[in-house]
Order: sequence, then structure tokens, then C-alpha cells
Amino acid sequence: GESVGLHLPTLSVQEGDNSIINCAYSNSASDYFIWYKQESGKGPQFIIDIRSNMDKRQGQRVTVLLNKTVKHLSLQIAATQPGDSAVYFCAETSYNQGGKLIFGQGTELSVKP
Amino acid sequence: GAVVSQHPSWVICKSGTSVKIECRSLDFQATTMFWYRQFPKQSLMLMATSNEGSKATYEQGVEKDKFLINHASLTLSTLTVTSAHPEDSSFYICSARPLGTLVVDTQYFGPGTRLTVL
Repeated sequence: GESVGLHLPTLSVQEGDNSIINCAYSNSASDYFIWYKQESGKGPQFIIDIRSNMDKRQGQRVTVLLNKTVKHLSLQIAATQPGDSAVYFCAETSYNQGGKLIFGQGTELSVKP
Repeated sequence: GAVVSQHPSWVICKSGTSVKIECRSLDFQATTMFWYRQFPKQSLMLMATSNEGSKATYEQGVEKDKFLINHASLTLSTLTVTSAHPEDSSFYICSARPLGTLVVDTQYFGPGTRLTVL
């Protein structure tokens, strides 16, 4: 159900710096993890994904790290730009859950020019 | 490719009325679509899973008689909020999984529908 009074964790970085956004996922049986970017008033936008048989995957300016031992996922954004300002969500899913996505809490990234 | 649209993008209605939201996959077919609800400053919460030609599967705590879901074709799913009340005001987002992709594979999200109930 919904939680009342939650505040999104916020990360504030300087333009050009690297950003690291962390996520603790809940299900040790999850097979697939995705990072989404959501701008205000819009739907989530796919950034990068990783399967449970990997521990690192790189994209353009982004890297996802998966630590299954401690159920931790991170998103690294290199040379952060003002256009990267948004809320970032991690999501997990598994075959056992029929591919249903469970979203993390989210982190609001603010990039200062 | 892989574009999902929602209509309307925003709607304001009076308490007690019903509102229908459409979710369409524009350039692909989707056997499965998902409906989420998002309150301000919160995460996305899955409401239901919609499979083409069959009844939707609702998450625990979601009233199926209040949130009617119809998935009549491989490109269209609708969510009807019946007898809407102010507490139903929220951002409703759909996603679609392309036909032929793995169960654990990328879903494509729509832009969302902002519902405000007065």
C-alpha cells in the first residue's frame, strides 16, 4: 500500500561530476534488474538493465553494478549533466513473479550547473 | 520503436463519476500490459497485470470492482476507475511487454495519466 509522508532521498551533484545512486532490492530470487529515469509528470524511461548472472554492465555514460550477496544495485552516471536531473528508480523482477516489476523507493538527482 | 501511449494525459472529474484511461502499444503487439499507480514523491505501485483475452490479475489491496481492466486486443488495454473519489487522485501509468519477449524482459512504459477527482 501507499506510505504517507515519504520523502525521496535526494542526491545533489555538480555538473561534470560522477553520480552514484544506490538501491537495496528485496528478493534474493530476482533474476532481472532495471534502472529507470522519471522526469516530472512523465512515465519511467529505461536506462540500463542487468541480469542476475552478471555483476556489471556498461552503457553510454552509465554503469550498473549488482551485488547479489548483499542485494545491492547501483547506478553510476559519468560526467553528470543538467539533463540527468530526474528521479531514478531501480526495479526487480523474476520468472517466479511472472515478470512483475517491483520498484524501489527512488532517488531524486539534482544536477547543479 | 516500442512506443506506448496513454489517453488522456490528464483528466479532472467530479466525485462519483467514472473515468476510462487507455493504454496503447503503437508499434508492437503486447500480450501483457501492467497498470501502476504513483502518488506524489512516491514509487510506482503495481495495481494489476492485464493479459489479452483473459481476466486481469490484481495485486493485494486493489479493488477489482473499482478498477476495471479490459485488454481486448494485443495493442489496447483500458483501466476504468469507477465511482472515483478524491483519494483516487493519482498518476496512473501503464507498461507493455512485447509479444515474443521473455517474461523477464524490458517493459515499455506509457507517459502516464494524471487523474484529479474533485
